[in-house]
Amino acid sequence: RKEVEQDPGPFNVPEGATVAFNCTYSNSASQSFFWYRQDCRKEPKLLMSVYSSGNEDGRFTAQLNRASQYISLLIRDSKLSDSATYLCVVNRGNFNKFYFGSGTKLNVKP
Amino acid sequence: NAGVTQTPKFQVLKTGQSMTLQCAQDMNHEYMSWYRQDPGMGLRLIHYSVGAGITDQGEVPNGYNVSRSTTEDFPLRLLSAAPSQTSVYFCASSFTGGEGDGYTFGSGTRLTVV
Repeated sequence: RKEVEQDPGPFNVPEGATVAFNCTYSNSASQSFFWYRQDCRKEPKLLMSVYSSGNEDGRFTAQLNRASQYISLLIRDSKLSDSATYLCVVNRGNFNKFYFGSGTKLNVKP
Repeated sequence: NAGVTQTPKFQVLKTGQSMTLQCAQDMNHEYMSWYRQDPGMGLRLIHYSVGAGITDQGEVPNGYNVSRSTTEDFPLRLLSAAPSQTSVYFCASSFTGGEGDGYTFGSGTRLTVV
């Protein structure tokens, strides 16, 4: 079983739409959680950390459900520039214990 | 600041050749890693280092060596290239090693082994 599972998509949405991605993780010992954004043929870049109480950064909201072992990312008012692959990442507290999902592809259409 | 710099950006090797992928960071990060990214599989950890002189194996270390003689540099050596090593390789560094700040990635090396 993979450490981190994501729906690969693609999610095709119109500009202005609200879209949500979920990610599940298998190990309950996971301690920290992140969403990364990866543009085509580029490196992943940290979008936001995910905190237990949930957190928001502009149009982006991240939620963590430890009981069900899933993480979500909500994007409101989608922009064309949001088109990318979104990677879910969990860490078990050690530097060598980062686990990356294979990503969810988002296409925002005009 | 340059962040994490990887060279080369592209490379084609013949089976059996060896080469070194270079990685340098100027953020004084102690923690550095090498990942490979293959379609549908996410990033997988090859080797990592928690400081100069200290390295260890990750999830997929076979066929690769690393060394960390300075805080700044963390080269990855392919000993005898195989087609299965065709991938995109990312070097990454972290300040805290996982507690909150995540990673800064280099721009990647696209390697093809023929």
